[in-house]
Amino acid sequence: NFMLTQPHSVSESPGKTVTISCTGSSGNIATNFVQWYQQRPGSVPTTVIYDDDRRPSGVPDRFSGSIDRSSNSASLTISGLKTEDEADYYCQSYDNTNRVFGGGTKLTVL
Amino acid sequence: QVQLVESGGGVVQPGGSLRLSCAASGFTFHIYGMHWVRQAPGMGLEWVAFISDDENRRYYADSVKDRFIVSRDNSKNTLYLQLNSLRPEDTAMYHCAKPLNYYDSKSYFDSWGQGTLVTVSS
Repeated sequence: NFMLTQPHSVSESPGKTVTISCTGSSGNIATNFVQWYQQRPGSVPTTVIYDDDRRPSGVPDRFSGSIDRSSNSASLTISGLKTEDEADYYCQSYDNTNRVFGGGTKLTVL
Repeated sequence: QVQLVESGGGVVQPGGSLRLSCAASGFTFHIYGMHWVRQAPGMGLEWVAFISDDENRRYYADSVKDRFIVSRDNSKNTLYLQLNSLRPEDTAMYHCAKPLNYYDSKSYFDSWGQGTLVTVSS
């Protein structure tokens, strides 16, 4: 079965840039779109990137997404980090008809 | 605005059953395929099941296949998840989720319910 692997945690200072990776276990991650969700403690997830690299309205352009076919991975990059960006981030793609989530990455902004 | 309100969770013994409901409002429910997603305490998100607008397509995660049944009543704008043969590892918050576009079942989730907690314990 197709799986998505994310680093368990990352940390960076305010104002800096951080990148969270999401690596597919097999196949070609570019075959299906990748979504990225942000989940703050006690809240439901919200979408920060959809269809690999698009931002929903209201999401600041500090958030960007990309696909690297050579490493079969997707990435979420957050620039100009703010303390409010501290949250769990999940990538999500597809395995035929089913949706697959990555294990999540806890971002600490300190 | 879109509202998704889950109910039906509770404490159940291993091997038991529960039926979860998700009451939808603020959008044309009957044209959307809908999903269930769960999150165990302190753990990540896990997609559970999908049902198409007309109930003709139903897909399940391997972890719940043959134990859970997704259904819907479009006349009541309600989504259901029947949980059978429950195991301790099914303990989680269960959320219903709506995709952005009715015509694209793979579009991202733009609305989530707050969830209903299922605890499987003896």
